[in-house]
Amino acid sequence: EPEVTQTPSHQVTQMGQEVILRCVPISNHLYFYWYRQILGQKVEFLVSFYNNEISEKSEIFDDQFSVERPDGSNFTLKIRSTKLEDSAMYFCASSESGRAGDIQYFGAGTRLSVL
Amino acid sequence: AQTVTQSQPEMSVQEAETVTLSCTYDTSESDYYLFWYKQPPSRQMILVIRQEAYKQQNATENRFSVNFQKAAKSFSLKISDSQLGDAAMYFCAYRSANTGNQFYFGTGTSLTVIP
Repeated sequence: EPEVTQTPSHQVTQMGQEVILRCVPISNHLYFYWYRQILGQKVEFLVSFYNNEISEKSEIFDDQFSVERPDGSNFTLKIRSTKLEDSAMYFCASSESGRAGDIQYFGAGTRLSVL
Repeated sequence: AQTVTQSQPEMSVQEAETVTLSCTYDTSESDYYLFWYKQPPSRQMILVIRQEAYKQQNATENRFSVNFQKAAKSFSLKISDSQLGDAAMYFCAYRSANTGNQFYFGTGTSLTVIP
């Protein structure tokens, strides 16, 4: 079965550094998402992306964050200047369409540790 | 904003027995979708079961079934004949049918299956 793949599985960075988290969505999917989960808290929505632009974003997704689909397969989340509170598990997801009942398929996540 | 609550951080069940994981949610909407996702250790979240709010019939998927009580805003997951492979973190999620395409997640329930 097709899977969403995320790399790296664990990223360690120094506060203030830029990080790029990478995702390869399922190939025929059109909608892409990033979520994050701070340890012990809920999985929270960050952003959705369709047709090469952001379709929805949460309050968490401020100017420090950006997303990009640099080629036909990758979907990236960039954090420009990481803060300690950015430490979390980041999940990428994709869906065939943006219909409400569509299943979102998730990757295994990237654990980001900001020191 | 919609909220999803999973009041059981941890549950355990004997192999071959039945266990019920609870989930409640808060919304003012009448049309929405509810999901249960399973996340094995270090693996991606996979869909277990999906329920459409306008359907009164409870969704069933093999050993997994839900008890959807719309008036009570309750969406519990029943796992019958529990197997060792059912051990995982289980997340309940809500998605509006009309506004936005983000999922709202609960904090998860960690299920242990005892041989």
